Amino acid sequence: GEQVEQRPPHLSVREGDSAVITCTYTDPNSYYFFWYKQEPGASLQLLMKVFSSTEINEGQGFTVLLNKKDKRLSLNLTAAHPGDSAAYFCAAGNSGGSNYKLTFGKGTLLTVTP
Amino acid sequence: AQTIHQWPVAEIKAVGSPLSLGCTIKGKSSPNLYWYWQATGGTLQQLFYSITVGQVESVVQLNLSASRPKDDQFILSTEKLLLSHSGFYLCAWSLRDWGQDTQYFGPGTRLLVL
Repeated sequence: GEQVEQRPPHLSVREGDSAVITCTYTDPNSYYFFWYKQEPGASLQLLMKVFSSTEINEGQGFTVLLNKKDKRLSLNLTAAHPGDSAAYFCAAGNSGGSNYKLTFGKGTLLTVTP
Repeated sequence: AQTIHQWPVAEIKAVGSPLSLGCTIKGKSSPNLYWYWQATGGTLQQLFYSITVGQVESVVQLNLSASRPKDDQFILSTEKLLLSHSGFYLCAWSLRDWGQDTQYFGPGTRLLVL
């Protein structure tokens, strides 16, 4: 089955710096990808859904890049602020439009210091 | 607007005791429903999914079972808890339509097994 490797497990940056989290996946048939944010003690909040047909996706304060050739997905927070401190998870959805199984990376704990 | 509710918010249970966790979705008809387990330290594991009442598919069992007695309700249970069942249990929902299958997570239930 699909395997998703997420790096780094911990990331500490200063306010205003960029932060990059990367996931690699194994199943070339994975079609949907997701980034979720989890604040301490809370549930998962969807940041962005990425279709395999779109390589660059921009959100508020972040960019998601998808490289299908290398099977790599990255989240780039362009100017991190302390409110971005949280755990971030990537996930890959199986193919065929049936996203019944999501495979998650192990998460990255991001700390943004003032 | 759709709402997802999980109960209880938290539980402390003894090894060998039974468990029942619940999840309800309001505001969406016939959603796909999912159960996830998050171990201490962050890894997320999809346990079960259901696309219709009465049908549940197991992804990873972990000595747990799931049922969907109503369209808007998903139950996770076991007759005998293990220490390894401790963690954060998350219910999620998605629509069924192609391209609409983003999973949205509930607030979660924290379980401590002693």
